[in-house]
Amino acid sequence: KAGVTQTPRYLIKTRGQQVTLSCSPISGHRSVSWYQQTPGQGLQFLFEYFSETQRNKGNFPGRFSGRQFSNSRSEMNVSTLELGDSALYLCASSLSTSGSSYEQYFGPGTRLTVT
Amino acid sequence: TQLLEQSPQFLSIQEGGNLTVYCNSSSVFSSLQWYRQEPGEGPVLLVTVVTGGEVKKLKRLTFQFGDARKDSSLHITAAQPGDTGLYLCAGDTTSGTYKYIFGTGTRLKVLA
Repeated sequence: KAGVTQTPRYLIKTRGQQVTLSCSPISGHRSVSWYQQTPGQGLQFLFEYFSETQRNKGNFPGRFSGRQFSNSRSEMNVSTLELGDSALYLCASSLSTSGSSYEQYFGPGTRLTVT
Repeated sequence: TQLLEQSPQFLSIQEGGNLTVYCNSSSVFSSLQWYRQEPGEGPVLLVTVVTGGEVKKLKRLTFQFGDARKDSSLHITAAQPGDTGLYLCAGDTTSGTYKYIFGTGTRLKVLA
């Protein structure tokens, strides 16, 4: 079975721009979660989508948004980029059917650099 | 705030040595996972523990879930350079609001 794929792998943007990241989950997985990882803050939960609905949300500003399509693929958008948004953005998929999304399977991440 | 504290934060050990990483919280978890992450890659799931007191072994790695399901440990015997990486514990709490949280991480370096 193919793993979680994320595109692009690397991205350089300028402050004030917006960016869209894409994630394709493992076939059959309906839950997709997004995380931001930085050296200082570690791995922080952004949001989770299940069956095209946002099921859970972390403590990030509204500039961070996402969506999920009917085929479970997900996109994450960050508007008005700030220097502090530079991070590794990780997508994870899970079989989760009950609201407990343990056993996450991660993609390789998208390394976003904001200049 | 629900936190998963890991200790130590950094660990450097000679090949062949033994080590233990701890993951502690004041919250109860319905399950807890351990992941290993290598630079530039996403975390890879190693194990899931569900039952209080549960012990799972994965080759030279032994994982234990605390009796009260608030803490866990990872013990590595005869560490090898291939064990180098960032070890993360994570879990879903039993609180009314779903929340899946990651630990602060332990960066392990095994020296040849």
